[in-house]
Parts: sequence; structure tokens; C-alpha cells
Amino acid sequence: QSALTQPASVSGSPGQSITISCTGTSSDVGGYNYVSWYQQHPGKAPKLMIYEVSNRPSGVPDRFSGSKSGNTASLTISGLQAEDEADYYCSSYTSSSTLEVFGTGTKVTVL
Amino acid sequence: EVQLVESGGGLVKPGGSLRLSCAASGFTFSSYSMNWVRQAPGKGLEWVSSISSSSSYIYYADSVKGRFTISRDNAKNSLYLQMNSLRAEDTAVYYCARRINYDFWSGIGYWGQGTLVTVSS
Repeated sequence: QSALTQPASVSGSPGQSITISCTGTSSDVGGYNYVSWYQQHPGKAPKLMIYEVSNRPSGVPDRFSGSKSGNTASLTISGLQAEDEADYYCSSYTSSSTLEVFGTGTKVTVL
Repeated sequence: EVQLVESGGGLVKPGGSLRLSCAASGFTFSSYSMNWVRQAPGKGLEWVSSISSSSSYIYYADSVKGRFTISRDNAKNSLYLQMNSLRAEDTAVYYCARRINYDFWSGIGYWGQGTLVTVSS
């Protein structure tokens, strides 16, 4: 099972909106609503930002939103802030023998 | 407050074994499935293994199947990962993790601080 495909980097200015894509197949992203998004700052454990495609955990700002279309999921950060600079990973349940797969990761830079 | 504290990491030679432990607190441990996720230095996240609340269901990534064994002791609020036949590519920070809700494959809402396993001669 290959990792889900994410862009290596995305950048934006403060206040702008950016979108990170996560492309899989019908065996993972396209087939199930178990897509999650994680934020990870250097040297820290990941933090859940979105689960089950579009749900936000308590405490996550509503600037973060998730969606899915076909085999591609997306994380949108609106009103980009300096503290949003981090690595972001998507994940999905998969029907392959390895039952959960993560994305390749995207480095978000706030210009 | 949910707390997950890993221990047991360290330096081990290729072919060797190591047992990781995770002490859980702040929630009813016996009601939740639990997970191990790892991250090689400078690399992305990789799901390793999951175990249901009563240990009835256990799953492994292909990369560790047959070498790693996940287990839990609900009386001790503890999760374990027995790692045998270790390889250099198993070098990573290993995180103990719990899903945000009772759904087995929902998002991982709680993470430990991680424990580093280094496999090298």
C-alpha cells in the first residue's frame, strides 16, 4: 500500500487561504469517510485537526476545514496565521492489507 | 486529561528485540481501542498496529507483520509493543495513540510524547 499523495510544500501570506490535497484511490480515500488531517510542529507529536473527512475536534479553530471529492481529500486553512506553519499529514482507512495509510506530508510555510 | 506515556525505547542491534510500554490515564482505558504509530527520523508518519478494547481484534502494518506483537493489560491501563527481529528501517519514534472516539478507524486524537527506537550495530 503506497502512501497517499500530498504536495511537498504549500505557502501563503498571513490572512490568505491555502488548500492541501491528499490523493488516494477508491480503496482508501474514495471508499471510506475515515480521512483525518494532522498538524505537526518540529519535535512535537502530531495534533488531530480534522477527522472523518470534515469534523473538527474541540479546540481546533474553525479556520481549518476538510472535504472530499472522489479519491481526493482536501484541508483548507483560511485566514492563515504564523502559528499554522508546520507539517501536515492526511490519513485514511484502506481496504488493503495495511489498514491505515498516511500521506506523504506537506510543509506549510507562512510567508 | 488524557495522558499517554511511552517507555522502553533505546538502542538495539539488528536482529534484536525491544518491548515498548505505554501507561494510559485520564480515561477509561478498557473502553477504547489503542494504536502504535511511528515516524522515522525526518520522515512521515506510519501506522504500525491497532488493538481493540478487549484484545479481540488486532491488526498490523505489512511492514511489521510477523515481527511485532501488540498487547494490552486493561487492569494496568497499559499498552505494549513487543518488537522482534528488528531492522535498521524500524528506527523511529514510536507513538502510543488513542482515537478521538470509539470508532476503530477514526482520527487519532491523543498522542504520547513518543519513544525513540534506534536499530544499529
